Amino acid sequence: DIQMTQSPSSLSASVGDRVTIPCRASQRISTYLNWYQQKPGKAPKLLIYGASNLQSGVPSRFSGSGSGTDFTLTVSSLQPEDSATYYCQQSSTIPYTFGQGTKLEI
Amino acid sequence: EVQLLESGGGLVQPGGSLRLSCAASGFTFSRYAMSWVRQAPGQGLQWVSSITDSGGATFYADSAKGRFTLSRDNSKNTLYLQMNNLRAEDTAVYYCAKQPAASGTYDCWGQGTVVTVSS
Repeated sequence: DIQMTQSPSSLSASVGDRVTIPCRASQRISTYLNWYQQKPGKAPKLLIYGASNLQSGVPSRFSGSGSGTDFTLTVSSLQPEDSATYYCQQSSTIPYTFGQGTKLEI
Repeated sequence: EVQLLESGGGLVQPGGSLRLSCAASGFTFSRYAMSWVRQAPGQGLQWVSSITDSGGATFYADSAKGRFTLSRDNSKNTLYLQMNNLRAEDTAVYYCAKQPAASGTYDCWGQGTVVTVSS
């Protein structure tokens, strides 16, 4: 199975900050990488697919980059509503594995 | 509006069974692969099982193989997960999720149904 590693598991930032959340795959996955946002008690929400494609309706302050094994989610100017846990997920090979999540506190 | 509505969760004893359902609306259900993803209390997300748009192929996590059966009824726009021989480690919120095209991306999720396995 492909292991997805997210570190740190949590981070704290302020409104208006630029934040980057890294994700690493245990083997090359091209750009088969997705990012989800999950708020407490809610279902996950797709933010970025194919490493860098913004899902419809997602604010443009979110962006994704990377290919191969190293990927990054960037929030260009943090808003209070961005407080959530962010998960990366590889969609290259079944089982489609998730990272353990990065909790972003604002 | 795309909607996925899960049901069927509850409290069950170890070794027991449950059948989860996911009712879909707002899109042509028969054109999309579907999956179940679960989240144990305080934990991350774990893929459980997927099924192709026609139902002709199914895929399972090792933890589900031999115990869970995924099926769909495209005439009823409904996805099912039959879970047998449940264990304490199956306790989780179970989400159904829609997959665009032939991808492992989940672009729409239900609100989840809670499964608790305990004596």
